[in-house]
Order: sequence, then structure tokens, then C-alpha cells
Amino acid sequence: SQQGEEDPQALSIQEGENATMNCSYKTSINNLQWYRQNSGRGLVHLILIRSNEREKHSGRLRVTLDTSKKSSSLLITASRAADTASYFCATALYSGGYQKVTFGTGTKLQVIP
Amino acid sequence: GAVVSQHPSRVICKSGTSVKIECRSLDFQATTMFWYRQFPKQSLMLMATSNEGSKATYEQGVEKDKFLINHASLTLSTLTVTSAHPEDSSFYICSAGKPGRSELSFLNTEAFFGQGTRLTVV
Repeated sequence: SQQGEEDPQALSIQEGENATMNCSYKTSINNLQWYRQNSGRGLVHLILIRSNEREKHSGRLRVTLDTSKKSSSLLITASRAADTASYFCATALYSGGYQKVTFGTGTKLQVIP
Repeated sequence: GAVVSQHPSRVICKSGTSVKIECRSLDFQATTMFWYRQFPKQSLMLMATSNEGSKATYEQGVEKDKFLINHASLTLSTLTVTSAHPEDSSFYICSAGKPGRSELSFLNTEAFFGQGTRLTVV
């Protein structure tokens, strides 16, 4: 079953602008991960934020996590045309010796040069 | 990061035939592997959890007799789509899970994914 919902479903911005994607989920989590997927291809891991963290940075990426609201956001600053892709949040839950990962609905980002 | 190899990357098969997809964990022993399916323009849906040496656990709505999962070793899980039909055409992707003793050991653990398999049934 789908764990999370993302919004917006689609986002179109000009190169150089910032892009913000939001993810809401339903249950408790171990950590939350963000992935990028270029059209028809595999997943690229972007960043992981632990359940006991509130904010994390990696290059042009900034992720926040609010476990009380069961939500996370991904901010991409100074966007580039190469950032055009689908972005998915994925929640990880510990379950009986392993970690189960379920994905949100995704946000399709288009960065216009 | 860890390397998970999935093969084949693309396969076209005739309706009614079976297709096997392999998922290998190359640099760690994966007691657990996961299989996802992604229809065009949709998200990844977890199909089943594969545990080495035991039966797979299927998510609700996934036919276990149609999607046979075998996790015969700590580095290999296979997904066989039996009697494939055009509606089974999809992107299938596996993930390997590192073992851990407790919930705390997973706090920083990302999932490791294969490259995916594009299945087209004609």
C-alpha cells in the first residue's frame, strides 16, 4: 500500500528558482528517504533523514522532517535543467528484523532552461 | 553505497510465457529483498518481501501464484512473472535490505535498489 502522499503532483519552474516538494505519511517511521527517478530509469538516492532529526542539508538539497505532523519537505535550491525528474519520498519502518520501505506518490519536476 | 544488480534491464515476451528477473546483492548478504512494480507515470508499489530460506510475504492484492519469488541464497532473489499478459507490462525493481539486530541499527540505513527491469508483454 502507498505510505505517503506528495504534493504537488507536478511542478514546473524556471532554471535558477527553488523547488519545494512536500510529503505526508501515515505511520511512525525509522527514517525518511528522498529519491530521484529520471524518466523510465532507476532510482537515485538523494538524502536520508532520521526520525530523530529535523533538518538535513546536502549540497543544494534541504530536507525537513516533522514527525508530529508526519510530513517532510524537499527543497532544491538554484534549480538546473538537469534536475528535471520525478522525486519520491520513501518512508522506512523497522519490522521484524528488516526495514520496509514504501514510497509516496511522487512529484514530477520540470525545470525550464 | 552498496551495489544491487538486477537483470535483465529490458525484456519483451509473448503473452502466456513466463519471465524471470534476477536481483543480486553484490557486496553484502541480504537476508531480505523487496520487489516493487511501477506502472507508467505512477509511483513504486511494494509487491512482496522476500526472505532468504522462507516464503515471500506478498502485499494485499498481489497474486502469489502469478509472481513467484525465490530467495534461495543470501545474495540472490528471483521474481518470475508466470503466464504474462500485456497488463503485466511494467517496470519492476528490486531492493536489498541489510540485516540489522535492532531498530536503532536501521536509523541511518538507506535502501539499495537495482537498476530495474522494463517488462513488455506483447
